[in-house]
Amino acid sequence: AQSVAQPEDQVNVAEGNPLTVKCTYSVSGNPYLFWYVQYPNRGLQFLLKYITGDNLVKGSYGFEAEFNKSQTSFHLKKPSALVSDSALYFCAVRDGGAAGNKLTFGGGTRVLVKP
Amino acid sequence: NAGVTQTPKFRVLKTGQSMTLLCAQDMNHEYMYWYRQDPGMGLRLIHYSVGEGTTAKGEVPDGYNVSRLKKQNFLLGLESAAPSQTSVYFCASSLAGPGRTQYFGPGTRLTVL
Repeated sequence: AQSVAQPEDQVNVAEGNPLTVKCTYSVSGNPYLFWYVQYPNRGLQFLLKYITGDNLVKGSYGFEAEFNKSQTSFHLKKPSALVSDSALYFCAVRDGGAAGNKLTFGGGTRVLVKP
Repeated sequence: NAGVTQTPKFRVLKTGQSMTLLCAQDMNHEYMYWYRQDPGMGLRLIHYSVGEGTTAKGEVPDGYNVSRLKKQNFLLGLESAAPSQTSVYFCASSLAGPGRTQYFGPGTRLTVL
């Protein structure tokens, strides 16, 4: 079975400071990892994904994430947060050895960027 | 190019009533999915489809049925709604194959009284 943990319900950061949203995962095969963002009353928007290759993945809106196999983590980062980054962030994983393309999502982390 | 659309956006049902949620995509994606989102629980997969005429159960399928009669449409049905089905429902679609990105619709907010 595959699972995802986002240990922080909420992250508060001042505008201009670095932002980190944590994600750890568990799969039996090789992981495919995703980050999505959800703004109020909207659907999920894709930010970035790791499938294979370079452990540092760059995505939309200046976000990046680092895949760490030994720590089974895929933390989302942004060097300088904006107020407009305030949203709900979801990490998701797919077991590369499993059939279909089913994702398992974490519970989400709310990010609040204060001016 | 509208992407993934969902109908309706909001709905209020009484316990025992039935309804169908419609998802449509114009990206020619083979795979489609239905999720529900509840506070603190992230998104949970209800049913999914890997092609026209095929469906499969996800993590929380009880109380729901689905149909995929056309490649671009994926219907989610509630035969006898219960208050526990109060949730926000999201449809998504993707190309076939592992690691493909899923693209989400705007959601349907359903309240069952």
